[in-house]
Amino acid sequence: GIQVEQSPPDLILQEGANSTLRCNFSDSVNNLQWFHQNPWGQLINLFYIPSGTKQNGRLSATTVATERYSLLYISSSQTTDSGVYFCAVAPPYNFNKFYFGSGTKLNVKP
Amino acid sequence: NAGVTQTPKFQVLKTGQSMTLQCAQDMNHNSMYWYRQDPGMGLRLIYYSASEGTTDKGEVPNGYNVSRLNKREFSLRLESAAPSQTSVYFCASSEIGNSGGNGKLFFGSGTQLSVL
Repeated sequence: GIQVEQSPPDLILQEGANSTLRCNFSDSVNNLQWFHQNPWGQLINLFYIPSGTKQNGRLSATTVATERYSLLYISSSQTTDSGVYFCAVAPPYNFNKFYFGSGTKLNVKP
Repeated sequence: NAGVTQTPKFQVLKTGQSMTLQCAQDMNHNSMYWYRQDPGMGLRLIYYSASEGTTDKGEVPNGYNVSRLNKREFSLRLESAAPSQTSVYFCASSEIGNSGGNGKLFFGSGTQLSVL
């Protein structure tokens, strides 16, 4: 399967700070998504971004598929951004077989 | 819209007992999935179904069976539960089906299962 590595594993920020989370993957993919798991365990889909750049409010994501990485940017962080951020990828030879990274645990302090 | 609904939310089993986790989606999605999440780890795919009547193994299928009852429902069965199956289980759905495309995953709220 595809190896997915996320960094950093843990991140502590002061409210208002910016951050960049990284996702590296070991093979070609045709589907890449970012998720936020809130402290209550709910998984929320943030971006579907197999290539290019997208923005949604204070969050944006960029995927460079040819270099096998994706970045998630969080600007002006808020305490509600706390939780775990996961990257998931699926290969072109099996659209449904998603591989998840181990996540980046973010703690935003007031 | 309820999205993806899974039941129960919590379950405690004794080793050797059986149970079925239920999942239903109301988004008319083609694909449905069962994942498990262990502490400090990402999600691992147990089984998936790309269309009604089909199921396929994921990364960690041993000890589990699934049924795609119809387009809406996808159940996960533990025939003889083991302590190693203590985990949080998530059901998900997407439009992907057999043809790929812009398939975002939508998740249920999870089932916390403890096997003693």
